[in-house]
Amino acid sequence: EPEVTQTPSHQVTQMGQEVILRCVPISNHLYFYWYRQILGQKVEFLVSFYNNEISEKSEIFDDQFSVERPDGSNFTLKIRSTKLEDSAMYFCASNAAGIDMDEQFFGPGTRLTVL
Amino acid sequence: LAKTTQPISMDSYEGQEVNITCSHNNIATNDYITWYQQFPSQGPRFIIQGYKTKVTNEVASLFIPADRKSSTLSLPRVSLSDTAVYYCLVGAFSGGYNKLIFGAGTRLAVHP
Repeated sequence: EPEVTQTPSHQVTQMGQEVILRCVPISNHLYFYWYRQILGQKVEFLVSFYNNEISEKSEIFDDQFSVERPDGSNFTLKIRSTKLEDSAMYFCASNAAGIDMDEQFFGPGTRLTVL
Repeated sequence: LAKTTQPISMDSYEGQEVNITCSHNNIATNDYITWYQQFPSQGPRFIIQGYKTKVTNEVASLFIPADRKSSTLSLPRVSLSDTAVYYCLVGAFSGGYNKLIFGAGTRLAVHP
């Protein structure tokens, strides 16, 4: 069964450093998303991406964040200058178009730890 | 988006049927009800989606009364591996772009 993959599974970085989280969505999917979940809290929407551009972003997704689909398979989330409060699980998700069920497929997540 | 209310936590034992009820009094005519499951340190996973009456798949059943102001996710004969957080989401069916707004969910603990 196709699945969304994410790398790395765990990233440790120093405050102020740049990180890039990588995702490979399911190949025929057209809509891509990033969510984050701070430990013990709910899953929060960050950004959605369609047709090579951001379609919607939350207030969490400020100028320190960016997303890119550099080729036909990868979908990345960059945090330019990490802060302690960016420590969280980051989930990539994707779904197809023209479907009869609003099923979004999530990756296993990247645990980001900012020291 | 319709606000949802579900119990914070539930406990059950292996082999029992578990019913998790979600209230969504302000559901709109074109809203669907969707349930996701999340295991610790994993991404959410779609379980089931419905609009009215009853929907059943290989994992669960979803019961939606005529007024659609609530819904019940039913898990038959749970096992330890069903220990997870279950989220009820309500929103318009999109057939495509679909930003998900998660609440706190219901933390189900299944005991031996």
